Amino acid sequence: EVQLLESGGGLVQPGGSLRLSCTASGFSFNNYIMYWVRQAPGKGLEWVSTITGGGVRADYADSVKGRFTISRDDSQNTLYLQMNSLRAEDTAFYYCAKDIGWGNYFDSWGQGTLVTVSS
Amino acid sequence: DIQMTQTPSSVSASVGDRVTITCRASQSIASWLAWYQQKPGKAPKLLIYAAVSVQSGVPSRFSGSGSGTDFTLTISSLQPEDFATYYCQLAHSFHPITFGQGTRLE
Repeated sequence: EVQLLESGGGLVQPGGSLRLSCTASGFSFNNYIMYWVRQAPGKGLEWVSTITGGGVRADYADSVKGRFTISRDDSQNTLYLQMNSLRAEDTAFYYCAKDIGWGNYFDSWGQGTLVTVSS
Repeated sequence: DIQMTQTPSSVSASVGDRVTITCRASQSIASWLAWYQQKPGKAPKLLIYAAVSVQSGVPSRFSGSGSGTDFTLTISSLQPEDFATYYCQLAHSFHPITFGQGTRLE
């Protein structure tokens, strides 16, 4: 069974940093593209970032480009999101998600971790 | 960037009803579209991918149709557990991944 478990969320001041982790199990992690998707409380879904297997390529939404960095440790089956220069509008639940295997479809999701940016 | 517009933003229905939700892309995306269901406090769940393919484990009352710019998610006979918010998603690799704004089924 595929399992994705996010951690690292919490309260941070504007301008601060936070690193999210997503520990994966139940599939060959290194073979799959992984994603971060966020959802502000009461709002819709927003794609944040994508990373290919092995970390060869990464993509970012314009709203986080230059501030967030996605990475992965395939030996530890773990996905990361380093978030710097955080803003109030980054407040959201952050989900990690697994690619279906051949297209930008998210077939498994973690339970989410809440990041709150506030002074 | 391609915009994804869902209609309606909310819909009221009853158990047993047939429900249709529409998603329109601002330009052709072939069949690069997914549909997700999200219940309060839970992560989204993939229902349909490639516009018409039903994800494993999803009840057969869910179906997807369309290609190009216009897509539809249909629930043939609404069940109590189907009351949720539904999102379409652009999945074309040449464009940023984009979600529709959501349709609340109540």
